[in-house]
Amino acid sequence: QVQLRQSGPGLVKPSQTLSLTCAISGDSVSSTSAAWNWIRQSPSRGLEWLGRTYYRSKWHNEYAESAKSRIIITPDTSQNQLSLQLNSVTPEDTAVYYCARWLDTTSGSLMDVWGQGTTVTVSS
Amino acid sequence: QTVVTQEPSLTVSPGGTVTLTCASSTGAVTSGVYPNWFQQKPGQAPRALTYSTNNRHSWAPARFSASFLGGKAALTLSGVQPEDEADYYCLLFSAGAHVFGGGTKLTVL
Repeated sequence: QVQLRQSGPGLVKPSQTLSLTCAISGDSVSSTSAAWNWIRQSPSRGLEWLGRTYYRSKWHNEYAESAKSRIIITPDTSQNQLSLQLNSVTPEDTAVYYCARWLDTTSGSLMDVWGQGTTVTVSS
Repeated sequence: QTVVTQEPSLTVSPGGTVTLTCASSTGAVTSGVYPNWFQQKPGQAPRALTYSTNNRHSWAPARFSASFLGGKAALTLSGVQPEDEADYYCLLFSAGAHVFGGGTKLTVL
């Protein structure tokens, strides 16, 4: 059974960097049939996809246009996890952050496993 | 950037049938954008319901079915139960990016 366990601080000061980690069990961050995503949810913005990392002969990263200038998603094969860095945060970045697996199967593609969510507040 | 539109809210009676839809600003929704539907209850992470044309996740009851309707993705709940009251989100994949709809708040009353 695949599980994603998130960790990271719940409070970040404005202008600083938000950093979260998502530890994977039951699958591999290097899987060639999965992509590993970061998503956030807030009352004002709803569910918002931030970006993803995946391995297909080499590593690929894709980011939402809204976050592209401030976001880095990094896979860590030694720890079997992925991390999120969001720079220069403002109170607008206050949200619940999720990691999630996107899986390609013979019957279709689905976002099937989610982390437990991390509530991050940006405040001084 | 793609905008995905859902009904903000719907109400259904217990035992009734309701259809939620998911439209894309770029045109008709097809299997090529890998539509996924999720259910979310307060304080919980979204939970996958259906994917592709009409594949149900292992936990999803048979009363949930996905289809395409008038150029939109659709999720139909038949024989609605009180525990189906929740927020429902669709997800599309377009031009290398995932885009969520704004969600439909389903009330069972």
